Amino acid sequence: EAGVTQSPTHLIKTRGQQATLRCSPISGHTSVYWYQQALGLGLQFLLWYDEGEERNRGNFPPRFSGRQFPNYSSELNVNALELEDSALYLCASSPELAGALTGELFFGEGSRLTVL
Amino acid sequence: QKEVEQDPGPLSVPEGAIVSLNCTYSNSAFQYFMWYRQYSRKGPELLMYTYSSGNKEDGRFTAQVDKSSKYISLFIRDSQPSDSATYLCAMKKTSYDKVIFGPGTSLSVIP
Repeated sequence: EAGVTQSPTHLIKTRGQQATLRCSPISGHTSVYWYQQALGLGLQFLLWYDEGEERNRGNFPPRFSGRQFPNYSSELNVNALELEDSALYLCASSPELAGALTGELFFGEGSRLTVL
Repeated sequence: QKEVEQDPGPLSVPEGAIVSLNCTYSNSAFQYFMWYRQYSRKGPELLMYTYSSGNKEDGRFTAQVDKSSKYISLFIRDSQPSDSATYLCAMKKTSYDKVIFGPGTSLSVIP
């Protein structure tokens, strides 16, 4: 069974540009989570989608946005890129009820965004 | 003060040692506690999950939660070079809440 897949693996942008990152959850998983992992800061919670709805949002500015599609895949958009947006962006999925009970998130390998 | 704190390390131990990894947190509302392991260039994977205070053992790994002190620990017995990774504590307030991660502790087990 395929795990969580993310694309692109690496992305280089310049300040002010927009970046779009994509995530395909494990088949049967309805919840998708986005985390930012910047050097020395650990995983910072960005967004949580379930059944196409935004369930929760972290303390990030509105230029970080996303959506979940009917097939449960998800997109993270970052507008007006700033240098400090350079980080590894991790997507995770969970089968909604089981994930809630165990806290288990299944992570992809991430998309590394570099802003120059 | 950050919600969840960990000593970033790096922690270096000889093979076979007992490793103790710790996290402290500030919000007493956290009830669900997890430990994730992250190998280099990989996403984190769940190691242990506990609810409220107490101990949980799984093979060489033991997780402890002390809610009165807002302190959680992960012990690794008979550590192996394959245990070399970053260990992230994580927690959430309710079963349907977002998961908050600590910054992680880097562990190296030397053969």
